[in-house]
Amino acid sequence: GAVVSQHPSRVICKSGTSVKIECRSLDFQATTMFWYRQFPKQSLMLMATSNEGSKATYEQGVEKDKFLINHASLTLSTLTVTSAHPEDSSFYICSARVGLSGNTIYFGEGSWLTVV
Amino acid sequence: ELKVEQNPLFLSMQEGKNYTIYCNYSTTSDRLYWYRQDPGKSLESLFVLLSNGAVKQEGRLMASLDTKARLSTLHITAAVHDLSATYFCAVDIVQGTYKYIFGTGTRLKVLA
Repeated sequence: GAVVSQHPSRVICKSGTSVKIECRSLDFQATTMFWYRQFPKQSLMLMATSNEGSKATYEQGVEKDKFLINHASLTLSTLTVTSAHPEDSSFYICSARVGLSGNTIYFGEGSWLTVV
Repeated sequence: ELKVEQNPLFLSMQEGKNYTIYCNYSTTSDRLYWYRQDPGKSLESLFVLLSNGAVKQEGRLMASLDTKARLSTLHITAAVHDLSATYFCAVDIVQGTYKYIFGTGTRLKVLA
């Protein structure tokens, strides 16, 4: 079946550095991908919607210059956390929508980011 | 702005008991999704409800959707310890762009 792969699954970075998280759809084309952030014991908060070949649409309150999203191909979206700080430590989950109008969404395994 | 709220936020129940989790959403949508999340893991899809009146069952879980009331329920029958997890509902809408919004989540703990 369809699989969405996220990498890395865990990453530790120093404060002030940048870290990139990749989200790949392995056997289908994903015109739309979503990025979520989840703090412990909280829900998934939508950060941005990423459409292939165009700029991401960010949710209110999400800094687009800090969380850079690139969706360069139909199978890959990346989230770069720039100048990371300890408060950016969180579980980041991507998901991918199958096709242009479908309602099938597949989720990645998630990436744990710890900023020290 | 779409809001998706779940009730209760936390549920502790004895094995063998029944209970219902509620999911209310604030805007019109004909589709609703239920997920399970175990600690430290991503999401596992449980149910996809695609129309008003839809009912789906899998094992001890049954989900239903009332689009007119903007309400979905997840009913747990004769709970077992393995059902302990966090359950999320999610709604998709088009607000300029397609969005997929999660509910507040319900942390379920089934006591042996």
